[in-house]
Amino acid sequence: AQTVTQSQPEMSVQEAETVTLSCTYDTSESDYYLFWYKQPPSRQMILVIRQEAYKQQNATENRFSVNFQKAAKSFSLKISDSQLGDAAMYFCAYRTGGATNKLIFGTGTLLAVQP
Amino acid sequence: NAGVTQTPKFRILKIGQSMTLQCTQDMNHNYMYWYRQDPGMGLKLIYYSVGAGITDKGEVPNGYNVSRSTTEDFPLRLELAAPSQTSVYFCASSYSPVEGEKLFFGSGTQLSVL
Repeated sequence: AQTVTQSQPEMSVQEAETVTLSCTYDTSESDYYLFWYKQPPSRQMILVIRQEAYKQQNATENRFSVNFQKAAKSFSLKISDSQLGDAAMYFCAYRTGGATNKLIFGTGTLLAVQP
Repeated sequence: NAGVTQTPKFRILKIGQSMTLQCTQDMNHNYMYWYRQDPGMGLKLIYYSVGAGITDKGEVPNGYNVSRSTTEDFPLRLELAAPSQTSVYFCASSYSPVEGEKLFFGSGTQLSVL
């Protein structure tokens, strides 16, 4: 069975600085998708970024980018120029195979942004 | 466009009571999901549906039931509430699983069983 591990329960970053959130996963599949979701205090789940495993190029969305290391099964999220609005819980998620789009989530990293 | 709507937002139940968490989406999505989020944990899949009339179990289905009579609605039923079911429940939907399409989430239902 696939598992997703986020080893950093909490992180802190100064406004305008860069922070990296870690995620590792375990799978025997070769084709899959990885996601980072943001959950602010409002509880809304917001998709931050998505990575297809078959693509070698790391995904980028504005200030958010990933470092996808397929052989190491690592999928870290880098937030550049951190803003106060980035403060939230961040979840790494793995999409299982098959025609169902089911996600397996990590336990999350709570990011604090210091002014 | 309302997206995914969940009701109620908060609810307190007594042990043994039953209730239905409502979920409706107006995006004509075929795929719908129920997740629960325990404190300090990630989301775990309870049930999912790939279309009207078709449902299947996820990781943690015990104590829950679902039905999917229409494309828009996917209610989650708790028959005999237990303290272990205290959690935040999220409904989500997507049009198809092709190309890792993103899930659209509702805003969650906070349920306490006392």
